[in-house]
This record gives sequence, C-alpha cells and structure tokens, in this order.
Amino acid sequence: DTGVSQDPRHKITKRGQNVTFRCDPISEHNRLYWYRQTLGQGPEFLTYFQNEAQLEKSRLLSDRFSAERPKGSFSTLEIQRTEQGDSAMYLCASSPAGTGNYGYTFGSGTRLTVV
Amino acid sequence: QKEVEQDPGPLSVPEGAIVSLNCTYSNSAFQYFMWYRQYSRKGPELLMYTYSSGNKEDGRFTAQVDKSSKYISLFIRDSQPSDSATYLCAMSAGNNRKLIWGLGTSLGVNP
Repeated sequence: DTGVSQDPRHKITKRGQNVTFRCDPISEHNRLYWYRQTLGQGPEFLTYFQNEAQLEKSRLLSDRFSAERPKGSFSTLEIQRTEQGDSAMYLCASSPAGTGNYGYTFGSGTRLTVV
Repeated sequence: QKEVEQDPGPLSVPEGAIVSLNCTYSNSAFQYFMWYRQYSRKGPELLMYTYSSGNKEDGRFTAQVDKSSKYISLFIRDSQPSDSATYLCAMSAGNNRKLIWGLGTSLGVNP
C-alpha cells in the first residue's frame, strides 16, 4: 500500500441521485480527512476521523452529506439528493498519529459532476 | 474577507528563473504553515512545512513565515518545467486542526 486510494476517480450523476465515494487510507494512518475542492479554489474541510470516531464536521456538511469510517479503516462519503452545486473534486487525506498537519497524504480525489 | 489570500495567477516564468509565491492571512492564531503542490487531476502534495516564524530550506525550495506581517512566501530556485503546477498555501491554528487554504497560484515554467 503506497498511498491513499480513492474510488471512483470520476462520477457523473443526475441531479437528485445518491452517490457514495470510498477512501482507503495508508494502512497505518489512524486519521482520515475529507475535503472538497472546486475549480480555481483551495480545498475546503468537510470532516475528520480519528480511527472510527468522527471528531469534527464542517457546517459545509449539510444533512445530505454523511461520512462513515467503520472499524477505523476505509471511509465512505455519501451525498444524497445531489445538486449541481455538489459538483467538485472530493479529496481524502490520511495521517499517522502524532504527526498532525505535517503528515497529510492526499489521494487523487473523486471528481463528481452533477448534470 | 477570506482568512487566507493568495493571488491565483497565472504566473509564467522561463526555465531557471527564481519564483516567488506568497500568501497573506488575517487570523493571528495560525501557527502552522504549509505549501502544497498540485498537478492537474491529482491531490495536493506537501512541499514545505513551517511552525511559527522563520525560514526553512529544502533543496531548491525555501519557505518563509513573517507572523508580524501575516505573510508567508515560497521561493523556488532554478525553476524547471516539471515545477509547472498549482501551488497552494495552507495553515492552521493548531496541530491536528483542519487546514485553511489559499486559492492556489498556477505556475508555468517555460523551457
């Protein structure tokens, strides 16, 4: 396992449909983060897990968004009733305990297009 | 006003030039400062990490933080075409806290 893996790489969906993305962090990393990035913008924080516990959620994460990390391994991010404004790159990052911000490794992201 | 301001560019330089990228910020609580490089259709990759004020050098890259002016810089010496990417600054108030990002500056290095 050489990096953070995200699946799928691209997703095109119709407005109103539900979508789910998966992130597999580096195996020894216990922290996992989700960010959203739109074109020409920096990433925006969505949520953060330490092991299986979701410790922080952004107010950007509306009721239509839910994230889980069962057993502290992979994580899923679900968006229900997608809207065109949800079109973005969804980035996952992981870090090992004790390294804090220094140890972030990002995946290549899932690009969502809502039509 | 955004917490972190960064000129999006684009910036175009000839190969071998010295590149200067910078960000300003408004939150005096920020203590951790990072520079990431992002290639098209890829996730950001950490380049430099600095705690509080001061300079840090790593190969062709130098990061500077001036907390009194709320200003951070990244210098790239002897720029190469492979340095063509978007450079994002990011910062946080504490370790393990969420990162606040700039817009990113698009850099092109012409051979």
